[in-house]
Amino acid sequence: DTGVSQDPRHKITKRGQNVTFRCDPISEHNRLYWYRQTLGQGPEFLTYFQNEAQLEKSRLLSDRFSAERPKGSFSTLEIQRTEQGDSAMYLCASSEWAGIVNTGELFFGEGSRLTVL
Amino acid sequence: AQRVTQPEKLLSVFKGAPVELKCNYSYSGSPELFWYVQYSRQRLQLLLRHISRESIKGFTADLNKGETSFHLKKPFAQEEDSAMYYCAIGNTGKLIFGQGTTLQVKP
Repeated sequence: DTGVSQDPRHKITKRGQNVTFRCDPISEHNRLYWYRQTLGQGPEFLTYFQNEAQLEKSRLLSDRFSAERPKGSFSTLEIQRTEQGDSAMYLCASSEWAGIVNTGELFFGEGSRLTVL
Repeated sequence: AQRVTQPEKLLSVFKGAPVELKCNYSYSGSPELFWYVQYSRQRLQLLLRHISRESIKGFTADLNKGETSFHLKKPFAQEEDSAMYYCAIGNTGKLIFGQGTTLQVKP
């Protein structure tokens, strides 16, 4: 399977602990996105990268959240001092961006479900 | 404010009946418009995009700029169409999603 992969698929943690999620995009895709989805809601944009550069961060992304894509390949999303409100599905997606021409399609991973007790 | 509204959380129809999933949006500028679908135990995937003007699995979506709507339609629903459908708008890949509509097609 050469699709977007995310790890771990499920994470249960106690309030105050740090967690890290990893995303491996489709290899030829230069853009990588993080979204968050809570129960009964659609995905909400968090941040995105083009290659290794983080181009935009949502206001949803508090100081406790940090995302990296150090070599322009995989990405990590770290949440420090987790709170119960952080419980959600964290979705990663990738796409191919070629300047003005954009395929417009995001390829999503299966998500990493976080439960904060 | 930029927003996507899908007014129905659940739409239940019988097989062979027409389907229309509603999507209304507010956005400054000229966004791209999409419908994404999530089948049971599968990942979210693109169903169709406005710019392509495609018909995928018998679904079409018409953009009405005056009403700022992008409703998804299919003339004859099939059981395999049962899924969660999300309308999304945006550009550069940064998308705003609606809350989703569950389509249930009964035999």
